Amino acid sequence: EIVMTQSPATLSVSPGERATLSCRASQSIAGSLAWYQQKPGQAPRLLIFAASTRATGVPARFSGSGSGTEFTLTISSLQSDDFAVYYCQQYSIWPLTFGGGTRMEI
Amino acid sequence: EVQLLESGGGLVQPGKSLRLSCAASGFTFPSYALSWIRQAPGKGLEWVSTVTPGGGSTYYADSVKGRFIISRDNFKNTLYLDLNGLRADDTAVYYCAKEFVSGSPGGWFGPWGQGTLVTVSS
Repeated sequence: EIVMTQSPATLSVSPGERATLSCRASQSIAGSLAWYQQKPGQAPRLLIFAASTRATGVPARFSGSGSGTEFTLTISSLQSDDFAVYYCQQYSIWPLTFGGGTRMEI
Repeated sequence: EVQLLESGGGLVQPGKSLRLSCAASGFTFPSYALSWIRQAPGKGLEWVSTVTPGGGSTYYADSVKGRFIISRDNFKNTLYLDLNGLRADDTAVYYCAKEFVSGSPGGWFGPWGQGTLVTVSS
């Protein structure tokens, strides 16, 4: 099983600042990585797939990068709507696995 | 608009069974693999199971293998998850999710349903 490790667990930032979230895979997954955003009481929402492709309707301030074992989600200028929990997920090998999440706090 | 609506959750005693359903609309149901993903209270996401578009192949997490059964009815546009031998650590919100790309399973998910809560307790 591929273990996905996200850091930090909690990130405290101010609106307008840049945020960088990390996701590390225990073995190479090439570019087979997705990012999701989850707000309290809601289902996760797809943000990024194939490590760097934004899903339809996702604002351009969200960007993904990386390959192999190291991946990054960057939010260029945080807005109040962006404070949520973010998860990465690998789909290179079964079983599909998620990281533990990064909580974005104001 | 794609819609996924889960139902069937509730309070159940350890060792008992439950069937979850996910009614889908807004897309060509038989063309997409579908999955169940769960989230224990205050915890992260855990993939549970996936079924291929035709229903002929299924995949399970080790934590549920031999206890849970995923299935689908492509005429009723409905996904199912039979939960058997339930344990306290199966307590979670169970989400159904559509594979983003039609065809082969094992990709990324979008969209997700709103989830149904399963609580296993005596």
